Amino acid sequence: SQTIHQWPATLVQPVGSPLSLECTVEGTSNPNLYWYRQAAGRGLQLLFYSVGIGQISSEVPQNLSASRPQDRQFILSSKKLLLSDSGFYLCAWMGDREDYEQYFGPGTRLTVT
Amino acid sequence: KQEVTQIPAALSVPEGENLVLNCSFTDSAIYNLQWFRQDPGKGLTSLLLIQSSQREQTSGRLNASLDKSSGRSTLYIAASQPGDSATYLCAVITRANFNKFYFGSGTKLNVKP
Repeated sequence: SQTIHQWPATLVQPVGSPLSLECTVEGTSNPNLYWYRQAAGRGLQLLFYSVGIGQISSEVPQNLSASRPQDRQFILSSKKLLLSDSGFYLCAWMGDREDYEQYFGPGTRLTVT
Repeated sequence: KQEVTQIPAALSVPEGENLVLNCSFTDSAIYNLQWFRQDPGKGLTSLLLIQSSQREQTSGRLNASLDKSSGRSTLYIAASQPGDSATYLCAVITRANFNKFYFGSGTKLNVKP
């Protein structure tokens, strides 16, 4: 069966510090991978998605970047965090390109102080 | 651009009541619609997936229907329980871009004992 991992689970970082969040998927190959952000009291915002290694689509111009160095690994980064980067970051995957069903990881709570 | 709306934003019902959550979308050219549940501080859990060719899907006490022509889906929860308390989100994927999901902002459900 497929499993998706995210780490860390929680993170408190000062403004101006770098960020690296990691997501890995097990039990599938060549999945689509997604990064979403959920700010307090708001809906899901799609940040990036990837259809393959090294292929990144950015949905929102911002302070963040994403990379996919391996088939089942997706990384969200920032060189300098802003207060507005605080939120709940969710990684998701979609593997079956017939059903197009999406599955989510447990999330990372980021607080920028 | 596809827009997904969920009304109401919040709902409070006594235990045992049957209830309906609504999801509407502006572009009827969807490929599928997916309902999720999110508990506080957690990732999204997939509940039901309806393909555009289907009218409904059932899982236990949950029944999701889809009327593509009118741009609507409903999630029916029978005999609600306090454990059903969570935020429910719907998402669609359109034929214009099979790699991108459009989410509603969710309905926060509280089932009172």
